Amino acid sequence: SQQGEEDPQALSIQEGENATMNCSYKTSINNLQWYRQNSGRGLVHLILIRSNEREKHSGRLRVTLDTSKKSSSLLITASRAADTASYFCATGPLGSGTYKYIFGTGTRLKVLA
Amino acid sequence: NAGVTQTPKFQVLKTGQSMTLQCAQDMNHNSMYWYRQDPGMGLRLIYYSASEGTTDKGEVPNGYNVSRLNKREFSLRLESAAPSQTSVYFCASSGPDRVYSNQPQHFGDGTRLSIL
Repeated sequence: SQQGEEDPQALSIQEGENATMNCSYKTSINNLQWYRQNSGRGLVHLILIRSNEREKHSGRLRVTLDTSKKSSSLLITASRAADTASYFCATGPLGSGTYKYIFGTGTRLKVLA
Repeated sequence: NAGVTQTPKFQVLKTGQSMTLQCAQDMNHNSMYWYRQDPGMGLRLIYYSASEGTTDKGEVPNGYNVSRLNKREFSLRLESAAPSQTSVYFCASSGPDRVYSNQPQHFGDGTRLSIL
Protein backbone atom coordinates (compact mmCIF):
# COMPACT_ATOMS: atom_id res chain seq x y z
CA SER A 1 0.00 0.00 0.00
CA GLN A 2 1.11 3.55 -0.61
CA GLN A 3 2.48 5.44 2.36
CA GLY A 4 2.09 8.84 0.76
CA GLU A 5 -0.97 10.14 -0.97
CA GLU A 6 -0.73 13.43 -2.81
CA ASP A 7 -3.61 15.80 -3.20
CA PRO A 8 -4.77 16.99 -5.64
CA GLN A 9 -4.04 14.38 -8.28
CA ALA A 10 -3.89 17.10 -10.92
CA LEU A 11 -3.59 20.88 -10.79
CA SER A 12 -3.72 23.45 -13.56
CA ILE A 13 -2.74 27.08 -12.91
CA GLN A 14 -1.67 30.20 -14.76
CA GLU A 15 1.95 31.28 -14.92
CA GLY A 16 2.79 33.53 -11.98
CA GLU A 17 0.28 31.91 -9.64
CA ASN A 18 1.25 29.82 -6.64
CA ALA A 19 0.82 26.05 -6.63
CA THR A 20 0.16 24.07 -3.49
CA MET A 21 0.13 20.32 -3.27
CA ASN A 22 -0.29 18.13 -0.22
CA CYS A 23 0.99 14.78 0.94
CA SER A 24 -0.47 12.59 3.66
CA TYR A 25 1.23 9.55 5.10
CA LYS A 26 0.34 6.80 7.52
CA THR A 27 3.26 5.92 9.78
CA SER A 28 5.90 7.81 11.73
CA ILE A 29 8.80 8.99 9.61
CA ASN A 30 12.46 9.97 9.74
CA ASN A 31 12.04 12.50 6.98
CA LEU A 32 9.93 13.45 4.00
CA GLN A 33 11.23 14.37 0.59
CA TRP A 34 9.71 15.96 -2.48
CA TYR A 35 10.68 15.03 -6.02
CA ARG A 36 9.80 16.39 -9.47
CA GLN A 37 9.41 14.27 -12.59
CA ASN A 38 9.31 15.81 -16.02
CA SER A 39 7.60 13.83 -18.73
CA GLY A 40 9.72 10.92 -19.89
CA ARG A 41 12.46 11.54 -17.35
CA GLY A 42 13.55 10.26 -13.96
CA LEU A 43 12.73 11.85 -10.64
CA VAL A 44 14.74 14.80 -9.43
CA HIS A 45 15.14 15.53 -5.74
CA LEU A 46 13.80 18.93 -4.67
CA ILE A 47 13.92 19.16 -0.90
CA LEU A 48 14.19 17.04 2.24
CA ILE A 49 12.56 17.94 5.55
CA ARG A 50 13.40 16.03 8.70
CA SER A 51 10.79 14.94 11.21
CA ASN A 52 11.94 17.54 13.75
CA GLU A 53 11.60 20.40 11.25
CA ARG A 54 8.36 22.25 10.54
CA GLU A 55 9.23 24.36 7.52
CA LYS A 56 11.96 24.53 4.92
CA HIS A 57 12.66 26.79 1.96
CA SER A 58 14.63 26.35 -1.21
CA GLY A 59 14.37 29.11 -3.79
CA ARG A 60 10.70 29.30 -4.85
CA LEU A 61 9.85 26.15 -2.91
CA ARG A 62 8.42 26.06 0.57
CA VAL A 63 7.74 22.80 2.35
CA THR A 64 5.89 22.36 5.61
CA LEU A 65 5.59 19.27 7.75
CA ASP A 66 2.98 18.55 10.39
CA THR A 67 3.86 15.27 12.06
CA SER A 68 0.79 15.40 14.30
CA LYS A 69 -1.43 15.33 11.21
CA LYS A 70 0.99 13.16 9.23
CA SER A 71 0.94 15.61 6.36
CA SER A 72 3.21 17.85 4.32
CA SER A 73 2.65 20.54 1.76
CA LEU A 74 4.78 21.82 -1.11
CA LEU A 75 4.26 25.40 -2.23
CA ILE A 76 5.75 26.64 -5.49
CA THR A 77 5.57 30.42 -5.68
CA ALA A 78 5.40 32.48 -8.86
CA SER A 79 5.09 29.38 -11.01
CA ARG A 80 6.60 29.12 -14.47
CA ALA A 81 5.77 27.00 -17.48
CA ALA A 82 8.96 25.05 -16.75
CA ASP A 83 7.43 23.92 -13.43
CA THR A 84 5.01 21.73 -15.39
CA ALA A 85 5.75 18.24 -14.08
CA SER A 86 4.57 15.57 -11.66
CA TYR A 87 5.50 16.02 -8.03
CA PHE A 88 5.94 13.15 -5.61
CA CYS A 89 6.44 12.95 -1.89
CA ALA A 90 8.57 10.17 -0.43
CA THR A 91 8.82 9.14 3.18
CA GLY A 92 11.57 7.42 5.10
CA PRO A 93 9.67 5.40 7.69
CA LEU A 94 10.87 5.67 11.27
CA GLY A 95 12.55 2.58 12.58
CA SER A 96 12.49 0.83 9.24
CA GLY A 97 16.10 -0.13 9.78
CA THR A 98 16.57 -0.13 6.06
CA TYR A 99 17.08 2.20 3.18
CA LYS A 100 13.50 1.98 2.00
CA TYR A 101 11.67 5.02 0.74
CA ILE A 102 7.94 4.98 0.09
CA PHE A 103 6.64 7.15 -2.72
CA GLY A 104 3.19 8.62 -3.15
CA THR A 105 1.14 8.57 -6.33
CA GLY A 106 2.00 12.12 -7.36
CA THR A 107 0.38 15.42 -8.31
CA ARG A 108 0.43 16.41 -11.98
CA LEU A 109 1.00 20.15 -12.23
CA LYS A 110 0.37 22.06 -15.43
CA VAL A 111 1.40 25.71 -15.60
CA LEU A 112 -0.21 27.59 -18.46
CA ALA A 113 1.75 30.38 -20.13
CA ASN B 1 28.71 14.25 -15.04
CA ALA B 2 26.52 11.26 -16.00
CA GLY B 3 24.92 10.46 -12.59
CA VAL B 4 22.79 7.32 -12.98
CA THR B 5 22.78 5.65 -16.40
CA GLN B 6 20.24 3.03 -17.41
CA THR B 7 20.30 0.80 -20.47
CA PRO B 8 18.38 0.13 -22.58
CA LYS B 9 15.93 3.04 -22.75
CA PHE B 10 13.23 1.00 -24.49
CA GLN B 11 12.61 -2.71 -24.89
CA VAL B 12 9.84 -4.91 -26.20
CA LEU B 13 9.79 -8.54 -25.13
CA LYS B 14 7.57 -11.52 -25.73
CA THR B 15 6.05 -13.38 -22.82
CA GLY B 16 8.54 -15.87 -21.43
CA GLN B 17 11.64 -14.11 -22.69
CA SER B 18 14.34 -13.00 -20.29
CA MET B 19 16.38 -9.85 -20.13
CA THR B 20 18.63 -7.82 -17.87
CA LEU B 21 18.28 -4.11 -17.23
CA GLN B 22 21.57 -2.40 -16.52
CA CYS B 23 22.24 0.48 -14.17
CA ALA B 24 25.47 2.26 -13.33
CA GLN B 25 26.22 5.29 -11.13
CA ASP B 26 29.36 7.38 -10.98
CA MET B 27 28.71 9.22 -7.71
CA ASN B 28 30.42 6.72 -5.38
CA HIS B 29 27.08 5.98 -3.73
CA ASN B 30 26.71 3.00 -1.44
CA SER B 31 23.00 2.36 -1.92
CA MET B 32 21.17 1.50 -5.13
CA TYR B 33 17.52 0.78 -5.87
CA TRP B 34 15.21 -0.58 -8.54
CA TYR B 35 11.64 0.74 -8.84
CA ARG B 36 8.80 0.22 -11.22
CA GLN B 37 6.37 2.99 -12.08
CA ASP B 38 2.87 2.17 -13.22
CA PRO B 39 0.07 4.65 -13.97
CA GLY B 40 -1.72 5.71 -10.80
CA MET B 41 0.57 3.61 -8.61
CA GLY B 42 3.51 5.87 -8.01
CA LEU B 43 6.89 4.18 -7.62
CA ARG B 44 7.15 0.77 -6.04
CA LEU B 45 10.43 -0.63 -4.75
CA ILE B 46 11.44 -3.94 -6.32
CA TYR B 47 14.87 -4.54 -4.78
CA TYR B 48 17.54 -2.49 -3.17
CA SER B 49 21.19 -2.82 -2.25
CA ALA B 50 22.27 -0.96 0.87
CA SER B 51 25.93 -1.50 0.04
CA GLU B 52 28.16 -3.52 -2.26
CA GLY B 53 27.62 -7.22 -1.65
CA THR B 54 24.13 -6.95 -0.17
CA THR B 55 20.68 -7.00 -1.73
CA ASP B 56 17.21 -7.05 -0.19
CA LYS B 57 13.66 -7.40 -1.37
CA GLY B 58 11.41 -4.42 -1.63
CA GLU B 59 7.65 -4.21 -1.97
CA VAL B 60 7.23 -6.11 -5.27
CA PRO B 61 10.18 -8.53 -5.81
CA ASN B 62 8.33 -11.48 -7.35
CA GLY B 63 9.49 -12.27 -10.88
CA TYR B 64 12.74 -10.33 -10.54
CA ASN B 65 16.32 -10.94 -9.51
CA VAL B 66 19.13 -8.48 -8.95
CA SER B 67 22.91 -8.43 -8.89
CA ARG B 68 25.12 -5.82 -7.27
CA LEU B 69 28.08 -6.42 -9.53
CA ASN B 70 30.31 -3.84 -7.83
CA LYS B 71 29.84 -0.49 -6.14
CA ARG B 72 28.89 1.20 -9.44
CA GLU B 73 26.56 -1.35 -11.04
CA PHE B 74 23.21 -2.85 -10.05
CA SER B 75 21.32 -4.96 -12.58
CA LEU B 76 17.73 -6.18 -12.63
CA ARG B 77 16.82 -9.44 -14.34
CA LEU B 78 13.47 -10.70 -15.55
CA GLU B 79 13.84 -14.44 -15.92
CA SER B 80 10.53 -15.13 -17.64
CA ALA B 81 8.77 -11.94 -18.62
CA ALA B 82 5.02 -11.61 -18.10
CA PRO B 83 2.63 -8.93 -19.43
CA SER B 84 2.10 -7.75 -15.83
CA GLN B 85 5.72 -6.64 -15.83
CA THR B 86 5.07 -4.05 -18.51
CA SER B 87 6.17 -0.87 -16.81
CA VAL B 88 8.76 1.86 -16.61
CA TYR B 89 11.73 0.78 -14.53
CA PHE B 90 13.88 3.26 -12.66
CA CYS B 91 17.22 2.78 -11.02
CA ALA B 92 18.33 5.13 -8.26
CA SER B 93 21.26 5.58 -5.94
CA SER B 94 21.93 7.41 -2.68
CA GLY B 95 24.92 8.05 -0.48
CA PRO B 96 27.77 8.11 0.13
CA ASP B 97 27.07 8.06 3.85
CA ARG B 98 25.94 4.84 5.47
CA VAL B 99 22.88 6.49 6.94
CA TYR B 100 19.39 5.20 6.67
CA SER B 101 16.90 7.04 4.48
CA ASN B 102 18.03 10.58 5.29
CA GLN B 103 19.52 11.14 1.89
CA PRO B 104 18.09 12.13 -1.46
CA GLN B 105 17.96 9.60 -4.22
CA HIS B 106 19.34 10.21 -7.69
CA PHE B 107 17.41 8.62 -10.53
CA GLY B 108 18.18 7.46 -14.02
CA ASP B 109 15.82 8.28 -16.87
CA GLY B 110 14.22 4.87 -16.89
CA THR B 111 13.73 1.84 -19.11
CA ARG B 112 10.35 1.56 -20.82
CA LEU B 113 9.57 -2.13 -21.03
CA SER B 114 6.65 -3.65 -22.92
CA ILE B 115 5.86 -7.34 -22.72
CA LEU B 116 3.56 -8.77 -25.33
